[in-house]
Amino acid sequence: QVQLQESGPGLVRPSQTLSLTCTVSGGSISSGGYFWSWIRQHPGKGLEWIGYIYYNESPYYNPSLKSRVTISIDTSKNQFSLKLRSVTAADTAVYYCARDSTYWGQGTLVTVSS
Amino acid sequence: DVVMTQSPLSLPVTLGQPASISCRSSQRLVNSDGNTYLNWFQQRPGQSPRRLIYKVSNRDSGVPDRFSGSGSGTDFTLRISRVEAEDVGVYYCMQGTHWPITFGQGTRLEIK
Repeated sequence: QVQLQESGPGLVRPSQTLSLTCTVSGGSISSGGYFWSWIRQHPGKGLEWIGYIYYNESPYYNPSLKSRVTISIDTSKNQFSLKLRSVTAADTAVYYCARDSTYWGQGTLVTVSS
Repeated sequence: DVVMTQSPLSLPVTLGQPASISCRSSQRLVNSDGNTYLNWFQQRPGQSPRRLIYKVSNRDSGVPDRFSGSGSGTDFTLRISRVEAEDVGVYYCMQGTHWPITFGQGTRLEIK
């Protein structure tokens, strides 16, 4: 059974970079055919797909965030990561990592505040 | 972006009764590969979303058969044949045919 776990700071200062890591267990991130995603949910709101990446391919970013987002894979650690630059309070959300839309992490709340 | 519109947004249901949620997309969701990438998710309070249905009508492993999905083109429906207490939560449709992937705004199911 594939499991995913997000990790990273729960508090980020405005204008700084939000950095999260998703650790994958129960399967190899370098096995083909799956895409690895970041999705967020603003407090009490709906879901927003941030972007995804296939192993050995370029990532896809939501145009609404494209100028600030980087998603990358580290096969040696079986992890993938999210970096969101120049954050504001509007980036406060629960951030989920997922494999395809099938397996999701438990989510991690990131608050942007000074 | 493809806009996904769900109705109703709030759905009070008596235990044992059926429930139905509609999802309409602003563009047709048939992909060039012939598949329609329309999924349904359940999010129980305090939990991550859980996929129930993929490609319109395919139930995920472990999903009770009281859940079913149907539809085509731009109109899709999630049905629960007999609502149980554990079905309380928010239900989302999601389209994966067009980038960016987009979700409906969610339908909150509660027990009447």
